[in-house]
Amino acid sequence: ILNVEQSPQSLHVQEGDSTNFTCSFPSSNFYALHWYRWETAKSPEALFVMTLNGDEKKKGRISATLNTKEGYSYLYIKGSQPEDSATYLCAFKNTGNQFYFGTGTSLTVIP
Amino acid sequence: NAGVTQTPKFRILKIGQSMTLQCTQDMNHNYMYWYRQDPGMGLKLIYYSVGAGITDKGEVPNGYNVSRSTTEDFPLRLELAAPSQTSVYFCASSSIQDFLDGYTFGSGTRLTVV
Repeated sequence: ILNVEQSPQSLHVQEGDSTNFTCSFPSSNFYALHWYRWETAKSPEALFVMTLNGDEKKKGRISATLNTKEGYSYLYIKGSQPEDSATYLCAFKNTGNQFYFGTGTSLTVIP
Repeated sequence: NAGVTQTPKFRILKIGQSMTLQCTQDMNHNYMYWYRQDPGMGLKLIYYSVGAGITDKGEVPNGYNVSRSTTEDFPLRLELAAPSQTSVYFCASSSIQDFLDGYTFGSGTRLTVV
């Protein structure tokens, strides 16, 4: 069982603030890193799939970076909006067949 | 496309009862997974399958069984329900190239064992 850690566990920001979270994972046998957005009472939805060291992905106001050598990924949200409120999950996959999910960062954007 | 369909959405079981959680996907994905999510915990893998006829244990398989007779269906069976199995269960699927698309999740089944 591998350890995938996300920080902070929860976060409250004001509307318009920019914010970022961290996902830490083992740096050996890296295959892929996924970010998911999980709204309450819904199922997780894939945001980004990252496979290469130095990858940067962007979707609207949300972006992510990847450092496989040191074992971390950052998720950034620029100008947070109330609809960004959700839990953001990262999942690490090594060269085996299983993903290991972090426990998530719960984001609340206060209007 | 319906994606990944899970049934039922909610269920209350008595200790010792059995039930099957159904999962169907219509995306022709080879890989399918069952996860459980407990409060304050991440998603834990119960079982997974890389194709019809092939299943394997994940992190927390005890108390569960699965089968994969078709590409579309991946039911999860609880034989003797215990309170420790109270959880939210998610089925997911992915293509072989999941590094491109990620997982597609079902809407979850909230199970309570009393």
